[in-house]
Amino acid sequence: DAGVTQSPTHLIKTRGQQVTLRCSPISGHKSVSWYQQVLGQGPQFIFQYYEKEERGRGNFPDRFSARQFPNYSSELNVNALLLGDSALYLCASSRGQGDYSPLHFGNGTRLTVT
Amino acid sequence: QKEVEQDPGPLSVPEGAIVSLNCTYSNSAFQYFMWYRQYSRKGPELLMYTYSSGNKEDGRFTAQVDKSSKYISLFIRDSQPSDSATYLCAMGWGAQKLVFGQGTRLTINP
Repeated sequence: DAGVTQSPTHLIKTRGQQVTLRCSPISGHKSVSWYQQVLGQGPQFIFQYYEKEERGRGNFPDRFSARQFPNYSSELNVNALLLGDSALYLCASSRGQGDYSPLHFGNGTRLTVT
Repeated sequence: QKEVEQDPGPLSVPEGAIVSLNCTYSNSAFQYFMWYRQYSRKGPELLMYTYSSGNKEDGRFTAQVDKSSKYISLFIRDSQPSDSATYLCAMGWGAQKLVFGQGTRLTINP
């Protein structure tokens, strides 16, 4: 079975621009979460979506938004990019919203903001 | 103070050694505890997943959770060069919204 797939793998943007990152979950998984991993740090929670509804949001500004589609894929949007947004953006999926479902991560999109 | 503290290392040991990786945390509400392994330029890979206190073993890996001390450990027996990676502890009151440690960079020398 295919794992979590993310696109693109790498992206270079300029300050002030907008970016959209895409994620396809493991087949059968209905929940998608987004994490930001700055170099040398552990991932930090951004959003969780389940059945197209936001079920959790981390401590990130409103420039960050996301959505989930009927096929359970998801997009993460970041507006007005700052240099500090440079990071590895990880998407993770799980079977359900239930607390017991562990996350399975994709290989991420590496975003560089210049 | 961070919610989850993890020694970033780096940690370097000879092949075959027993490796001990540890994390401490401050939030007593955490119920789910995970260990992820992350190779360079890859996403985190789920290694171990435990609920509440106790031990869990899977092959060469053993995870321990001590909720009274707010301390979790991962032991790797008979370590192999292929175990060289960054190890991330993660925890939460659910398994979905995780708080991660900084990660420990481990190198196993042949």
